[in-house]
Amino acid sequence: GAVVSQHPSWVICKSGTSVKIECRSLDFQATTMFWYRQFPKQSLMLMATSNEGSKATYEQGVEKDKFLINHASLTLSTLTVTSAHPEDSSFYICSAPGQGDIYEQYFGPGTRLTVT
Amino acid sequence: GQNIDQPTEMTATEGAIVQINCTYQTSGFNGLFWYQQHAGEAPTFLSYNVLDGLEEKGRFSSFLSRSKGYSYLLLKELQMKDSASYLCAVVDSNYQLIWGAGTKLIIKP
Repeated sequence: GAVVSQHPSWVICKSGTSVKIECRSLDFQATTMFWYRQFPKQSLMLMATSNEGSKATYEQGVEKDKFLINHASLTLSTLTVTSAHPEDSSFYICSAPGQGDIYEQYFGPGTRLTVT
Repeated sequence: GQNIDQPTEMTATEGAIVQINCTYQTSGFNGLFWYQQHAGEAPTFLSYNVLDGLEEKGRFSSFLSRSKGYSYLLLKELQMKDSASYLCAVVDSNYQLIWGAGTKLIIKP
């Protein structure tokens, strides 16, 4: 099946710094990728839809200037958390839609961000 | 608004059967997914239903009734490794995934 990777798998950073998270589709091309955030004991929250070659679409309440998304190629999307604060500490997961008939999502393994 | 309801937590015994329910109200319907998520890991695909009825896949089965806005995931012969959160997600008319909050399943020996 399709594989999506994320890097790094976990990161600790100081408040005020920026962190970049990469999401790659390893054996297929993804014109669209999705970025989710998940707080402990809560479900996935869609943050934005990343579109190759065009601007990302952000969900209501998500600051586009704080969460910068760049879909540089058909296999890579990046999420940069700028000027991170402790409340940004969360589990960030990307996904890409499958190539088949159903709208299955292939998820990356997630990135655990801790801001101190 | 769009809404998906699942029980927050369920407990079952190893070897038994458990049914996790999901009810939804969405703008349109293009299918319903069940995902399994272990703590600290990404969700993994379990099943997809777009037509009414039961889909069986090994120890896991998923049922859908579109007229009732209802689905369930049935897990048989429970194993300790089945302890996880189970997420119900519906694809709406815009092909957006609407996620339930997940059901944490605790398996006891």
